[in-house]
Amino acid sequence: AQKITQTQPGMFVQEKEAVTLDCTYDTSDQSYGLFWYKQPSSGEMIFLIYQGSYDEQNATEGRYSLNFQKARKSANLVISASQLGDSAMYFCAPFGGGGADGLTFGKGTHLIIQP
Amino acid sequence: EPEVTQTPSHQVTQMGQEVILRCVPISNHLYFYWYRQILGQKVEFLVSFYNNEISEKSEIFDDQFSVERPDGSNFTLKIRSTKLEDSAMYFCASMPRRDNEQFFGPGTRLTVL
Repeated sequence: AQKITQTQPGMFVQEKEAVTLDCTYDTSDQSYGLFWYKQPSSGEMIFLIYQGSYDEQNATEGRYSLNFQKARKSANLVISASQLGDSAMYFCAPFGGGGADGLTFGKGTHLIIQP
Repeated sequence: EPEVTQTPSHQVTQMGQEVILRCVPISNHLYFYWYRQILGQKVEFLVSFYNNEISEKSEIFDDQFSVERPDGSNFTLKIRSTKLEDSAMYFCASMPRRDNEQFFGPGTRLTVL
């Protein structure tokens, strides 16, 4: 079974600052990817970014980027120039080489952006 | 932009009753999922469905649960005899092909009294 650790249950960050959300995982799969999802207070799950384990470069999607360290099994989400609308729960979810498995989510980080 | 839809948005039921939660995945997607999220907790995987059969299920998905894709568009989750602890948000998700993002629906909040 996969174990996903998000060590920051809650974070307060000033608007416009960059923020790093931690995620480490324990999987024996040699081929896997990792997703980050955002869940605002309205409850929906919003896909943010994906990193494939064989990707040479860290994934980037607008203000979101991943600091992927395969050997350490960590994939931290970096949000640059945070905005008030970034306040939400953030979940990471690695998935295995099958590519179609159900996702196992971490417990999440509750990010609050302060003006 | 295509999206996953779920009905109803909120369902209240009495303990012991059967409920059916409905989802319409994105057209042409091949993989379908149900997840649940108990209030204040993480999202948990229940079951995945591909090629008209269950491909994977978690320990949570016991004999009280079943899934169907009856007509090529709807994807349903049935809970046969609801318990208080089934109260949660239930998310449906679909994926177009392997190694792609899963697109989540807005969820159905199930309250069992």
